Amino acid sequence: DTGVSQDPRHKITKRGQNVTFRCDPISEHNRLYWYRQTLGQGPEFLTYFQNEAQLEKSRLLSDRFSAERPKGSFSTLEIQRTEQGDSAMYLCASSLGGLGLAGNEQFFGPGTRLTVL
Amino acid sequence: SQKIEQNSEALNIQEGKTATLTCNYTNYSPAYLQWYRQDPGRGPVFLLLIRENEKEKRKERLKVTFDTTLKQSLFHITASQPADSATYLCALGNNRLAFGKGNQVVVIP
Repeated sequence: DTGVSQDPRHKITKRGQNVTFRCDPISEHNRLYWYRQTLGQGPEFLTYFQNEAQLEKSRLLSDRFSAERPKGSFSTLEIQRTEQGDSAMYLCASSLGGLGLAGNEQFFGPGTRLTVL
Repeated sequence: SQKIEQNSEALNIQEGKTATLTCNYTNYSPAYLQWYRQDPGRGPVFLLLIRENEKEKRKERLKVTFDTTLKQSLFHITASQPADSATYLCALGNNRLAFGKGNQVVVIP
C-alpha cells in the first residue's frame, strides 16, 4: 500500500502523559500536514512542512504540541502533558507541491485516535 | 470572523436522485475550493478541486460549482447510489485547508 500511513491507529493515555504519533507520507510527496478532528467537526489545521522545513503552524497550537520532519520523509507529532481536551482524531496528509503546482489535493492517512483519560 | 458553513442536517435521498450540498463561506477569498468525502473512522478522500476562475467542474457523477460573488459552492451527486452515503466536506485554501463541518448524505435504496 503506497498511501499515507499513521501509527498508532489508537492511543489511550492518562492526563499528563506525553504521546507521540508518526506519519509516513506518500514517498514522492514533499508536503506534509497535520490536522485534528473532533466529533461532528471538520479537520482543523495544525501545521505543515515542505520537505523538512515547518512552514506554518496554527495559532491554536499550544506550546505542548511539537512536530518534526527531520529528513523530509516521515513526521512525528508530540503532545506533552496531555489534557482531556486533546482527545481527538489526529490526521496526517501529504501532497506534491511547488512552483506551478498550486491548489493541490491532499492525501489523508487513516488518523490516530487519541483518548485522554 | 471567517466561517465555512455546511448544512448540519443529514441529507436523506432516494437512490437514483441527485443530491445537492451547499458550502457557504464568509471573510475568505479562496483561490481554490475542494470537496472531500469522509467515511466513519477514516481520513478524508479528495474528490474535486475548483479554481476561482472556474464556474463548474465535473468528475464522473460529481459536479461542483463555484460562485465567488455569492461566496458559495454547490456539490452535486447525480444518480446517487447507497455507496455514496458518507460525509462530504468543503475545504478552502491551498496548503492550509480550512474545512467546513461536513454534510452527511444518506442514500436510501
